[in-house]
Amino acid sequence: QKEVEQDPGPLSVPEGAIVSLNCTYSNSAFQYFMWYRQYSRKGPELLMYTYSSGNKEDGRFTAQVDKSSKYISLFIRDSQPSDSATYLCAMSGPEYGNKLVFGAGTILRVKS
Amino acid sequence: DVKVTQSSRYLVKRTGEKVFLECVQDMDHENMFWYRQDPGLGLRLIYFSYDVKMKEKGDIPEGYSVSREKKERFSLILESASTNQTSMYLCASTEGGRVETQYFGPGTRLLVL
Repeated sequence: QKEVEQDPGPLSVPEGAIVSLNCTYSNSAFQYFMWYRQYSRKGPELLMYTYSSGNKEDGRFTAQVDKSSKYISLFIRDSQPSDSATYLCAMSGPEYGNKLVFGAGTILRVKS
Repeated sequence: DVKVTQSSRYLVKRTGEKVFLECVQDMDHENMFWYRQDPGLGLRLIYFSYDVKMKEKGDIPEGYSVSREKKERFSLILESASTNQTSMYLCASTEGGRVETQYFGPGTRLLVL
């Protein structure tokens, strides 16, 4: 079993829709939760990170962590065609040092 | 703005060749990482370094080596390229202790024929 599971998609939505992207994990020691966005043929860029549980909002993006369920989500409001990309979740914790454990990524397509 | 650059965007090499991939960061970060990215497998850590001349194996180090002679530069070496090393290679860096903010380079697409 992978430590971090993420549905690869593709997820196709119309412009303006609310998008929900999710990851589940197995190691309860994870404390840092990150979301990266990767455009085609580019390197990943950090979108948001949260420490431990709770929500974090940044513009149209909201990251949510539910440690009791070992489940994290990224919500995108008013999705735009420019949001079309692969979204990667990543996690870490004390036993991992500075290393991250990545999900496989979800391909998102926002159609105009 | 943090900048991580990689020496090549695309490379085509032949089986058995020695391949060097270079990564440079301009933010004086202590930690540097090499990943490979394959469809359906996500990012897998090959090697990382937390200081000059220091290196640690990641999850898939076989067939690779690394060099960090200067703080800003981290090189990945494929000693004898094989077709199963065809992949996207990504370099990243972060400040010491700041696991949550890894900055990535644009990637190198390597094709081994």
